[in-house]
Amino acid sequence: QVQLQESGPGLVKPSETLSLTCAVSGYSITSGYYWDWIRQPPGKGLEWIATIDRSGNTHYNPSLKSRLSVSVDTSKNQFSLKLSSVSAADTAVYYCARSPGSSGWSYYFDKWGQGTLVTVSS
Amino acid sequence: QSVLTQPPSVSAAPGQKVTISCSGSTSNIGNNYISWYQQLPGTAPKLLIYENNKRPPGIPDRFSGSKSGTSATLGITGLQTGDEADYYCGTWDSSLSAGHVFGTGTKVTVL
Repeated sequence: QVQLQESGPGLVKPSETLSLTCAVSGYSITSGYYWDWIRQPPGKGLEWIATIDRSGNTHYNPSLKSRLSVSVDTSKNQFSLKLSSVSAADTAVYYCARSPGSSGWSYYFDKWGQGTLVTVSS
Repeated sequence: QSVLTQPPSVSAAPGQKVTISCSGSTSNIGNNYISWYQQLPGTAPKLLIYENNKRPPGIPDRFSGSKSGTSATLGITGLQTGDEADYYCGTWDSSLSAGHVFGTGTKVTVL
């Protein structure tokens, strides 16, 4: 059974870098699929952040691209997110997810982590 | 802001049917598959429908999806109290600002 689990600090100071990791169990990242980050501000809708494949090829949300870095560690079967220069607007529940896709496109998200709330505050 | 528009809320009595619309454009819904997600309070979204009208294993046939042109619809029949949740549509947008996009979300209330 495929499971995804986010981890990282729940509180980040403004202007600092938000760092999260998603550990995947029950499925090897090297077997395929794309791996995504999605966030949801409190009381608001979903926003796709980024996609990465097993080779480390990435596709970023254009509105966040300048602050984003996503990487994959196949030896640990996990992938990570770094979002720099954060502000209160980056406060959200951050989800990692798995997606079938092709040519950098995520078709849909069939497995999700439980999500982790990251608050940006001094 | 989302490029896919959904009604903020829909409601119906138990056993009735509701439909949720998702409106987009040729750069997203018009040329790509749509998916639908159910988000129960305090939980992560769950895939309900993919590739316009396919259900993953374990999703009852009370849930159905369709697409026509630049709009899509999620239908829920035999409404149950456990269906009370937020529902989101999603697809890929192949415009200059390419990326995966979600709808604005619809709250389903069972009266």
